[in-house]
Amino acid sequence: SQQGEEDPQALSIQEGENATMNCSYKTSINNLQWYRQNSGRGLVHLILIRSNEREKHSGRLRVTLDTSKKSSSLLITASRAADTASYFCATDADGNNRLAFGKGNQVVVIP
Amino acid sequence: DTGVSQNPRHKITKRGQNVTFRCDPISEHNRLYWYRQTLGQGPEFLTYFQNEAQLEKSRLLSDRFSAERPKGSFSTLEIQRTEQGDSAMYLCAGAGDTDTQYFGPGTRLTVL
Repeated sequence: SQQGEEDPQALSIQEGENATMNCSYKTSINNLQWYRQNSGRGLVHLILIRSNEREKHSGRLRVTLDTSKKSSSLLITASRAADTASYFCATDADGNNRLAFGKGNQVVVIP
Repeated sequence: DTGVSQNPRHKITKRGQNVTFRCDPISEHNRLYWYRQTLGQGPEFLTYFQNEAQLEKSRLLSDRFSAERPKGSFSTLEIQRTEQGDSAMYLCAGAGDTDTQYFGPGTRLTVL
């Protein structure tokens, strides 16, 4: 069964705007990861945040993790048309890296 | 480019036929994972290997599915007696000493 669930499911924004996606999960985790997938392609790893971390940055990406609420958010700042993709959160519950993915968040950035 | 390759990229087969997919991770990937992704869904874990040992199999992996990683390098996933419900994207990922998984481009299977 799917562990992560992203909200909202679909997001359409203008280029230059920020995009925020949320992910909730049910069980305790070792780490949470965000991936991007362009249409029909493989997944690209974006960022990993461990259960003892609260916030992480990578370029225009900012991820937060709230283990008390079992939720995470991904913020993409100053979005570009090339950011158009599906974004998935995935949780690793026990450190063996068997990832449980959410259903994904489709983001469309309009030039 | 993650360095993980999968072949073939697309496979169309008739129901009841057997198919085999191959995944080639990079040499540093001592762990290798297989996932299945259907349209509009996130990937679902199927199985994973630590070197040549298959350590875990999902309940999604019925008896018709078998995976191998004979020398701890490339891996194959075979589906016997394919069914229409097997139509999906099959993704392979490699991982080394970190927790990051590097995904290949996937093999899209269509069962007619």
